[in-house]
Amino acid sequence: AQTVTQSQPEMSVQEAETVTLSCTYDTSESDYYLFWYKQPPSRQMILVIRQEAYKQQNATENRFSVNFQKAAKSFSLKISDSQLGDAAMYFCAYKRGGGSQGNLIFGKGTKLSVKP
Amino acid sequence: NAGVMQNPRHLVRRRGQEARLRCSPMKGHSHVYWYRQLPEEGLKFMVYLQKENIIDESGMPKERFSAEFPKEGPSILRIQQVVRGDSAAYFCASSGGTGGRSEAFFGQGTRLTVV
Repeated sequence: AQTVTQSQPEMSVQEAETVTLSCTYDTSESDYYLFWYKQPPSRQMILVIRQEAYKQQNATENRFSVNFQKAAKSFSLKISDSQLGDAAMYFCAYKRGGGSQGNLIFGKGTKLSVKP
Repeated sequence: NAGVMQNPRHLVRRRGQEARLRCSPMKGHSHVYWYRQLPEEGLKFMVYLQKENIIDESGMPKERFSAEFPKEGPSILRIQQVVRGDSAAYFCASSGGTGGRSEAFFGQGTRLTVV
């Protein structure tokens, strides 16, 4: 069975600085997708960034980028120029590829605080 | 195009009562997923439904929990005879497909409190 592990329950970053959130996963499959979701206090789950396992190039979305190390099964999220609005829970998630039913497997999350 | 709508946002039930949680997927989406989030935990998959069919309920407790997605109307997650351990946030997500490129859109969740 696939598992997703986030080893940092809490992280803190100074406004305008850069922070990296860690995620590792375990799978025997070669076709899969990885995601980072943000959950602010409103509880709304917001997709931050997505990575296809078959792509070697790391995904980027504005201030958000990932470091995808397929051999190491590592998928970290880097937030540059942190803003107060980035404060939230961040969840790493895995989804099987071809033939998947589409359900996501989540890590336990990392609570990010941003200091002004 | 309205997002995924869940209601109620908050639900309080006494032990032994029934809880009904509703989810209206995004327009055009026929795939619905229910997840449960316990305090300080990530979301855990419960059940996957398509219109009128339960496709995968491997994450659902065997007793007291049921789900449906009728031809007309919202998907319903039903919890009978609730216990304190059922207190959690329940999230619904919908998508237009199951492939990796199909993004899952989440509702804001229903926070169930059992007193």
